[in-house]
Amino acid sequence: DAKTTQPPSMDCAEGRAANLPCNHSTISGNEYVYWYRQIHSQGPQYIIHGLKNNETNEMASLIITEDRKSSTLILPHATLRDTAVYYCIVRVALQAGGTSYGKLTFGQGTILTVHP
Amino acid sequence: GAVVSQHPSRVICKSGTSVKIECRSLDFQATTMFWYRQFPKKSLMLMATSNEGSKATYEQGVEKDKFLINHASLTLSTLTVTSAHPEDSSFYICSASPSVLAKNIQYFGAGTRLSVL
Repeated sequence: DAKTTQPPSMDCAEGRAANLPCNHSTISGNEYVYWYRQIHSQGPQYIIHGLKNNETNEMASLIITEDRKSSTLILPHATLRDTAVYYCIVRVALQAGGTSYGKLTFGQGTILTVHP
Repeated sequence: GAVVSQHPSRVICKSGTSVKIECRSLDFQATTMFWYRQFPKKSLMLMATSNEGSKATYEQGVEKDKFLINHASLTLSTLTVTSAHPEDSSFYICSASPSVLAKNIQYFGAGTRLSVL
């Protein structure tokens, strides 16, 4: 799996957009970008994933650069409950079978603190 | 959405005792579940892959006789920490996916905080 690099911490004001960057310069053609977050003392939560097109769901938007070497997770209107550790994970394509699929390698992530 | 339930959420035990942690997929079947461990202020580390009806696959450095995994049904995997010691105190988390085609979208339990005295 390609290595990812994220800033260790970021701050954001409540109500503003939180933009979390992730660098994955060694990503290969069949690897997707996944984002998870972990609120303190809870299990991680899936947020969004994408291959090369920008993606949006009810939680966030994912912007992937054209060369796919970096991406940005956007929380459009951050709330205090969005304070968490955000993990960017690059993983092989969605496929059935194989014993390695589903195994996620978590880096250190970005600690996002949303303040009033 | 997919729900993974983990029980208990917190357990305190004496050194030398065994502790069982359950992971259930509530609204889907999971042939594979994953067990992670997380120490304070550290990231999650994969311990093992639990396979329904067959032996678990352990990551390098994880003692299979210490951490017994049983995946007896399509909705339940258990992790037993045998002869627990204080260094086993940690946050244990399981995950599973409802989709055969999208296994990298994992749903996680709320975690079990184990404290060994």
